[in-house]
Amino acid sequence: DAGVIQSPRHEVTEMGQEVTLRCKPISGHDYLFWYRQTMMRGLELLIYFNNNVPIDDSGMPEDRFSAKMPNASFSTLKIQPSEPRDSAVYFCASSPPRQSRSGANVLTFGAGSRLTVL
Amino acid sequence: DQQVKQNSPSLSVQEGRISILNCDYTNSMFDYFLWYKKYPAEGPTFLISISSIKDKNEDGRFTVFLNKSAKHLSLHIVPSQPGDSAVYFCAASPSGYALNFGKGTSLLVTP
Repeated sequence: DAGVIQSPRHEVTEMGQEVTLRCKPISGHDYLFWYRQTMMRGLELLIYFNNNVPIDDSGMPEDRFSAKMPNASFSTLKIQPSEPRDSAVYFCASSPPRQSRSGANVLTFGAGSRLTVL
Repeated sequence: DQQVKQNSPSLSVQEGRISILNCDYTNSMFDYFLWYKKYPAEGPTFLISISSIKDKNEDGRFTVFLNKSAKHLSLHIVPSQPGDSAVYFCAASPSGYALNFGKGTSLLVTP
């Protein structure tokens, strides 16, 4: 398996523009997570899905952020309009079904999308 | 409010010596604890985990210790190697849900 695939790897945009980040989870994984990494806050959970359904979006900063998972192999995180404080590295991660685990919920992360909003 | 805290932003250790990375947590409902390692421009990768019913788990050069009464865990790397230089994240989860991460500790292993 190619692992969790994220695109774009780098995005530079101007304040006010719409940004869309994309993620393809590992095949067979039914949990998908979006995290954001900043120096100040470290790795913070934004939202996660189970079987394409959003389970917890309490970490989404504000209404400018939205996430969708139209099918088991694709998810998007959209920021509209973007602001300079949104500059961060956004990670997507996936994990296998609970019944297949023998222990911890081990998330597999993508390489991340580095967003810079000018 | 951060439920998982890594109070040391950085640590420098000589090659061959022991590296000890620390982590504290506040939520008694956490039942699994994990350590991830992150190199620049890459995503975090899983290193080792421990269940709340254990106090030690070992995998090669890596050992994680859990002290539930103190709500504290630590990762020991023995012996440390230059390739271990990375950012290490402590994470915890209640009942197999999403992971709560600390801010990370940057480890530098010098030759």
